[in-house]
Amino acid sequence: GQNIDQPTEMTATEGAIVQINCTYQTSGFNGLFWYQQHAGEAPTFLSYNVLDGLEEKGRFSSFLSRSKGYSYLLLKELQMKDSASYLCAVSGVFSGGYNKLIFGAGTRLAVHP
Amino acid sequence: GAVVSQHPSRVICKSGTSVKIECRSLDFQATTMFWYRQFPKQSLMLMATSNEGSKATYEQGVEKDKFLINHASLTLSTLTVTSAHPEDSSFYICSAREKGVLNYGYTFGSGTRLTVV
Repeated sequence: GQNIDQPTEMTATEGAIVQINCTYQTSGFNGLFWYQQHAGEAPTFLSYNVLDGLEEKGRFSSFLSRSKGYSYLLLKELQMKDSASYLCAVSGVFSGGYNKLIFGAGTRLAVHP
Repeated sequence: GAVVSQHPSRVICKSGTSVKIECRSLDFQATTMFWYRQFPKQSLMLMATSNEGSKATYEQGVEKDKFLINHASLTLSTLTVTSAHPEDSSFYICSAREKGVLNYGYTFGSGTRLTVV
């Protein structure tokens, strides 16, 4: 089976930096995504990594190590509106022969003043 | 950018009835569409993958006779929850992949909140 692990909950202070880790063990891999999801809404795309290394996009950065099956999402200069769930997802050809996107359980981040 | 329209956004139905949810790619052709279900405070669980013109592929544990998926064209997929029961109450989200875009380009619909009473 496919396994994607991330912490269930995290808390952080406004203005600080937080790192959300994700480890994966999947039978296929052709990319790792991070999404942000507010309660009751659809996920919104944050980042995509297919090669090892760091991808930076404004206050958000994402890192990937394929050999270690590891990724992290780094959020800088935290704002209250960053309180949300952050979903790690792996794209690959798994069972069925089709490319699909499967999600980890998500990390609920609470940002406090 | 790519847009996926999902309707309805909310639906309440009586136990035993069927509900159809539509997912449309508005400005691109979707080779593949995915249907996810999300229970409160849980992540998205993939239910099935549908390819235009072929039968849907269901994930383990998902009843194909209960969750009917039709992908009749490159821009439309529908999910019908048949004989709905209160335990089917959930947030259903579709996602579409753009034809010709290999690894990038999963676009999500806005979701459908289904409540079965």
